[in-house]
Amino acid sequence: DADVTQTPRNRITKTGKRIMLECSQTKGHDRMYWYRQDPGLGLRLIYYSFDVKDINKGEISDGYSVSRQAQAKFSLSLESAIPNQTALYFCATSDLLAGNNEQFFGPGTRLTVL
Amino acid sequence: SQQGEEDPQALSIQEGENATMNCSYKTSINNLQWYRQNSGRGLVHLILIRSNEREKHSGRLRVTLDTSKKSSSLLITASRAADTASYFCATVRTSRGGADGLTFGKGTHLIIQP
Repeated sequence: DADVTQTPRNRITKTGKRIMLECSQTKGHDRMYWYRQDPGLGLRLIYYSFDVKDINKGEISDGYSVSRQAQAKFSLSLESAIPNQTALYFCATSDLLAGNNEQFFGPGTRLTVL
Repeated sequence: SQQGEEDPQALSIQEGENATMNCSYKTSINNLQWYRQNSGRGLVHLILIRSNEREKHSGRLRVTLDTSKKSSSLLITASRAADTASYFCATVRTSRGGADGLTFGKGTHLIIQP
């Protein structure tokens, strides 16, 4: 969805490095999410945010941190990357007023940790 | 843990045939959603069915929901080569008395043979 963008689209890094993935949205949605996808698996929720400076842990938050400094931006950080964090990362948004939690996804960031 | 589980994991059919995918889930739900993912891309919302609905249609898509069996099915009629993708069911997680992210199944990889 062009309204949700992620940068970078691809990143290769080394074990121990700090990495930040950025997500921006122009949909005006208050809710934002970070998921990771591993081969052959569905998506798993890492963190989510209902509003600026609101941060909530998801299913697999260990090893990750997030920041929501503005409504339109939600960044995901890996403080010290490890190889099992190699995955496809997706940002998503949803509109509280829609009341159904339908989510709109970005194109994904493919992260490889060597 | 994965809330939804799709089956089959993979499905290959001829163009023009109908494709049926099933999803089972574990807890009570407000709604169940189906998403589509083209290879390496973000997920796109296809259709949502509420817990008080039994069947819903959208174009060539037909979704059924059986809350007594905690299962749903997605039928794609008159399949096209462009329908080749992975299909995921998702249910809404709840916490703090409200909805947060989605819990996804592992997906069905559908291949439409021309």
